[in-house]
Amino acid sequence: NAGVTQTPKFQVLKTGQSMTLQCAQDMNHEYMSWYRQDPGMGLRLIHYSVGAGITDQGEVPNGYNVSRSTTEDFPLRLLSAAPSQTSVYFCASSYGQGSSPLHFGNGTRLTVT
Amino acid sequence: KNEVEQSPQNLTAQEGEFITINCSYSVGISALHWLQQHPGGGIVSLFMLSSGKKKHGRLIATINIQEKHSSLHITASHPRDSAVYICAVRLESGGGADGLTFGKGTHLIIQP
Repeated sequence: NAGVTQTPKFQVLKTGQSMTLQCAQDMNHEYMSWYRQDPGMGLRLIHYSVGAGITDQGEVPNGYNVSRSTTEDFPLRLLSAAPSQTSVYFCASSYGQGSSPLHFGNGTRLTVT
Repeated sequence: KNEVEQSPQNLTAQEGEFITINCSYSVGISALHWLQQHPGGGIVSLFMLSSGKKKHGRLIATINIQEKHSSLHITASHPRDSAVYICAVRLESGGGADGLTFGKGTHLIIQP
C-alpha cells in the first residue's frame, strides 16, 4: 500500500517552460488536492477534486491546470512557469473534504529561474 | 475570512519537557487537524478532531469548540519530536474552495 505517490521530488525549470507534477493514490480516496508551501505562509490550496471528472479552483489557481480522469491520478500542470511559482508542492488525498484524515505525498521542490 | 493562528511560532525545549502548542481560529469549524512536518519535508496527519480530546502515544490533542481553540501536547519530549506542527481547520459551512485553512506552523526543537 503505497499511499500518495508524488513525482518528481526536485525540479528546476526555466521561465516559460511547462511541466506536470504527478500525483497518484491507491487508497480509493475521492478527495484530492494540490497545495503550495512558501516560507512564512501556511499551505495554500491550488486546485482540488472531489471525484473523477470533477475539479475546482482553490485559493491560488492562476498558472496551474489540473484534471482528474481517474480516481487514482491528479496531475498538476504548470503551463508557462514563472519565478513566482518557485515553491514546495504537496499533493494530498482523503475520503472526505477536510472531514477525514489527510494523506500527503512527499512533496516536490520546484525552482523556476 | 477565517484566520488560523498558532503559537508559539518557534519553541526550543529540553528533552523530557512537556510541550504545548496552541491553535486559535476565528469562525465555526467542523473539524480540526494537527499535522507534523519533519525536516525532510514530508507531512503526516497526527489527529483529526471535532470535539474533546484524542491521545496517541505521547501526543494529546484537545479542542474547545466554544473558545475556538485547540492545543497539541507532547509529554516526555524527545529530539525526534523536532518538527513543524501545523494546525488546519475545515469551515463549518463546508463546500466550495474552503476544504482546509492552515496555520503557519510551530517550529519545535527538542534539545538532548
